[in-house]
Amino acid sequence: KAGVTQTPRYLIKTRGQQVTLSCSPISGHRSVSWYQQTPGQGLQFLFEYFSETQRNKGNFPGRFSGRQFSNSRSEMNVSTLELGDSALYLCASSHGQGRQSGYTFGSGTRLTVV
Amino acid sequence: AQSVTQLGSHVSVSEGALVLLRCNYSSSVPPYLFWYVQYPNQGLQLLLKYTTGATLVKGINGFEAEFKKSETSFHLTKPSAHMSDAAEYFCAVSAGTGGFKTIFGAGTRLFVKA
Repeated sequence: KAGVTQTPRYLIKTRGQQVTLSCSPISGHRSVSWYQQTPGQGLQFLFEYFSETQRNKGNFPGRFSGRQFSNSRSEMNVSTLELGDSALYLCASSHGQGRQSGYTFGSGTRLTVV
Repeated sequence: AQSVTQLGSHVSVSEGALVLLRCNYSSSVPPYLFWYVQYPNQGLQLLLKYTTGATLVKGINGFEAEFKKSETSFHLTKPSAHMSDAAEYFCAVSAGTGGFKTIFGAGTRLFVKA
């Protein structure tokens, strides 16, 4: 059974650019959550999607957005990149409500903004 | 809203010694509690979870945790540390009042000395 797949693994972007990260959840999982991980702030919740609907959103500016497709794959987009957006972005999937069952995480996309 | 505090950003033990990683949570409703482990350059892996029922929860790799409602704690233990246990460990909590998001602690890095 394939795990959670995140692409790309590494990314270097310039300030002001925009970036799209992709996540393919475990087959059959309909919930996808995104987290930003930095040494200073730890794991910060970005948003969660279930059956193409955003169920909850963290305290991030509108530059951060996401979506989920009918096959449960999800993308997140960050526009007008800032240096502070450099982080490991983690995608996590669960069968139903991840807050009950726990998540399976991907290996992450490490974004560096220069 | 729920929150979680991990006591000690770094813990060092000798191989074969007891591992104790501390976690305290805050929640106005019965919480779901989790421990995850993260190895370098990887995502998080679920170690164990408490939802309802037995308060002593056994997980993978010989780890276990006990939910103590009176102390609002969910400490992680392992009787005998192994070198391969060296990693970062995250306690997490989710509860109904927090919507569909899971909140993570700041993490505790475990060092195992030979």
